Amino acid sequence: QKEVEQDPGPLSVPEGAIVSLNCTYSNSAFQYFMWYRQYSRKGPELLMYTYSSGNKEDGRFTAQVDKSSKYISLFIRDSQPSDSATYLCAMLTGGGNKLTFGTGTQLKVEL
Amino acid sequence: SAVISQKPSRDICQRGTSLTIQCQVDSQVTMMFWYRQQPGQSLTLIATANQGSEATYESGFVIDKFPISRPNLTFSTLTVSNMSPEDSSIYLCSVEFRETNYGYTFGSGTRLTVV
Repeated sequence: QKEVEQDPGPLSVPEGAIVSLNCTYSNSAFQYFMWYRQYSRKGPELLMYTYSSGNKEDGRFTAQVDKSSKYISLFIRDSQPSDSATYLCAMLTGGGNKLTFGTGTQLKVEL
Repeated sequence: SAVISQKPSRDICQRGTSLTIQCQVDSQVTMMFWYRQQPGQSLTLIATANQGSEATYESGFVIDKFPISRPNLTFSTLTVSNMSPEDSSIYLCSVEFRETNYGYTFGSGTRLTVV
């Protein structure tokens, strides 16, 4: 069983839709949770990070962590074609420096 | 946030040869990491490059195949040695900035094709 599971998609939505991207994990030692966006032929770009359980909002993006269920989500409101990319979740234990990534979800927002 | 320059951005290499990938950061960082991203798979950590000491390799990766240098706090190289088509992948360097609350910044990657 992988430590981090992420639906690879692809996920196709119309412009303006609300997008929900999710990851589940098995390692209860993970305390830091991140979402990266990766455009084609580019390196991953940090979008959101959260520590422990709870919600964090930044513009159209909301990151949600439920440690009791070992489940994290990224919500994108009013999705735009420019949001079309691969979204990767990543996690880190409290004392560690090794990120563990999901496989990424490919998102396409269509006009 | 810091800027990471990674070179080359892409290359096509013959099997049996070696390629050295460079990673330059515009500020001093303690931790530098090298990842591999194979098609349809998640990023996999190859090793952590430590300044002034040998790199720390993850399970499945060995120094003879992926020698790493870290001569100072802003620069590192990863060499992919004796390449085979299975080494075709994207290689990424990453640095940690604790000032950004454990944000890890990535270079744009090196797309390697071995023929």
